Amino acid sequence: AQTVTQSQPEMSVQEAETVTLSCTYDTSESDYYLFWYKQPPSRQMILVIRQEAYKQQNATENRFSVNFQKAAKSFSLKISDSQLGDAAMYFCAQYNNNDMRFGAGTRLTVKP
Amino acid sequence: KAGVTQTPRYLIKTRGQQVTLSCSPISGHRSVSWYQQTPGQGLQFLFEYFSETQRNKGNFPGRFSGRQFSNSRSEMNVSTLELGDSALYLCASSLTSGRPRGTQYFGPGTRLLVL
Repeated sequence: AQTVTQSQPEMSVQEAETVTLSCTYDTSESDYYLFWYKQPPSRQMILVIRQEAYKQQNATENRFSVNFQKAAKSFSLKISDSQLGDAAMYFCAQYNNNDMRFGAGTRLTVKP
Repeated sequence: KAGVTQTPRYLIKTRGQQVTLSCSPISGHRSVSWYQQTPGQGLQFLFEYFSETQRNKGNFPGRFSGRQFSNSRSEMNVSTLELGDSALYLCASSLTSGRPRGTQYFGPGTRLLVL
């Protein structure tokens, strides 16, 4: 069974600084998808970034980028120039074989 | 384009009752997935429907069931409610199922409290 591990329950970052959230996963598949989702307090979950395992190039979406290390089964999220609106729970997720698994989440606090 | 909608948003039930939650996906999306979110267990996959067929089911008891209609709207039902069923139930829709995996768009959730 696939598992997703987020080892940092909480992280904090100063506004305008950079923070990296960690995620590791375990799968025997070679073709799968990885995602980072953001869930602001009492608001809907939204997709931050996605990565297809067969693509070696790291995905980037504006201030958000990932470091995808397939051999190490690591998928970290880097947030640059952090903003107050980035404060949220961040979930790492993996999808393959019609099965979606989420990590336990990392609560990110942004300090002004 | 309207987002994923879920009804009702809040629900209070007592043990032993049953409940039905509804999810309307984004127009054109044919895949609907359901998740249970609790502080203790986090986000857990319940099941996914695509074109009225269940594609996959998570590790939940048979009390949890779902279905999808021809217009892609989906319902999930929980029978014989237990206290531990109290949770936020999230629905997510996407264009596709399987590979390539389309982006999932989440609804606001239905918060269920079982007393």
